[in-house]
Amino acid sequence: GAVVSQHPSRVICKSGTSVKIECRSLDFQATTMFWYRQFPKQSLMLMATSNEGSKATYEQGVEKDKFLINHASLTLSTLTVTSAHPEDSSFYICSARDSSQKTGGFYNTEAFFGQGTRLTVV
Amino acid sequence: AQKVTQAQTEISVVEKEDVTLDCVYETRDTTYYLFWYKQPPSGELVFLIRRNSFDEQNEISGRYSWNFQKSTSSFNFTITASQVVDSAVYFCALSPYTGGFKTIFGAGTRLFVKA
Repeated sequence: GAVVSQHPSRVICKSGTSVKIECRSLDFQATTMFWYRQFPKQSLMLMATSNEGSKATYEQGVEKDKFLINHASLTLSTLTVTSAHPEDSSFYICSARDSSQKTGGFYNTEAFFGQGTRLTVV
Repeated sequence: AQKVTQAQTEISVVEKEDVTLDCVYETRDTTYYLFWYKQPPSGELVFLIRRNSFDEQNEISGRYSWNFQKSTSSFNFTITASQVVDSAVYFCALSPYTGGFKTIFGAGTRLFVKA
């Protein structure tokens, strides 16, 4: 199946610094990628939809200026957590859908998930 | 509203028991996908199955089986002869056409399989 690589898998940073997380589709092109956040023992909550070549679409309650998303190419989306604070500590996971697998507006593949990034802000 | 409900927060079984994880979804879309994912302690999401809304056939894959019933908006997952390695959190998810097929996750069911 298609592979999505997320890097880093774990990161510890100091409060006030910024952290960048990369999400790459390795063997397919993805015009759309999704970023999720998961707090301990909770479900995955969609943060934003990343669109190649345009601005990301953020879900209600997600701060655009804090969680910067860049989708500069068909295989790479990045999430930057700016001025991180301990409450930003979480598991962040991305997903990507193969743009070529679409028939008449109907995607015929699932979105493939990265391995996730565990962010700890100290 | 688009929503996935997994009413079972935690389930504990003894090895070799069968266990069914329930999933009920809500959507007004006629075109949508349903998924099950497994999340082991390592955190990564492991894809188990995808169903589109036009395919109500049940599926069996080894010890895993899924029952999709549109009439009750349910997509239940059964593990037969459970094993300790099945211990994980299992998420049911909905990806409706409205909104560009964003994936909406249920709260998850934590399964403990004891030896």
